[in-house]
Amino acid sequence: DQQVKQNSPSLSVQEGRISILNCDYTNSMFDYFLWYKKYPAEGPTFLISISSIKDKNEDGRFTVFLNKSAKHLSLHIVPSQPGDSAVYFCAASVTGNTDKLIFGTGTRLQVFP
Amino acid sequence: GAVVSQHPSWVICKSGTSVKIECRSLDFQATTMFWYRQFPKQSLMLMATSNEGSKATYEQGVEKDKFLINHASLTLSTLTVTSAHPEDSSFYICSARIKGSYEQYFGPGTRLTVT
Repeated sequence: DQQVKQNSPSLSVQEGRISILNCDYTNSMFDYFLWYKKYPAEGPTFLISISSIKDKNEDGRFTVFLNKSAKHLSLHIVPSQPGDSAVYFCAASVTGNTDKLIFGTGTRLQVFP
Repeated sequence: GAVVSQHPSWVICKSGTSVKIECRSLDFQATTMFWYRQFPKQSLMLMATSNEGSKATYEQGVEKDKFLINHASLTLSTLTVTSAHPEDSSFYICSARIKGSYEQYFGPGTRLTVT
């Protein structure tokens, strides 16, 4: 049972445009969400996170939006750069059980010139 | 800061042998370390959580006698794959969490190939 889903396995965006990566979850107990970026043969790198008490968190070019009623979050990258090309994973956890991160299956983003 | 290293980055071993993977937090003390496994084009699956000085907590379906985890210090955790089989071939990634923080900092991963 995949509790965190990233339904788009891949996304291709032109440099300078906006990249929108989506993530859906099924467990209403999740209250903390994170996005990680992963290059091939490397471990994931933390990008940005959001608590369920917020609906938006911004850090430079990266903004995460959370829609609790829809159990949906998205990561916006503006403007997209070729160096953003990587696999992006969303992850979710439950406060009080922050040890366990449940990861989505990832979306491969390719930013072309 | 918050750098996690893994060694080796790639290992090939024969069926039936054991292989040890090390995970180190280089510039911080990690009260908790995690071991994940990733199959091609799939998500990271948590295998076990280890706290320094105590026994690891394994996720359902993970054989604790096969995947031995030792968290001997605040900067080192090891995963030993015992009696390896070809189906154990995978990408193993560790992560470490600073006390009081939600974020986990990941190592670069170890690719295990069992022949």
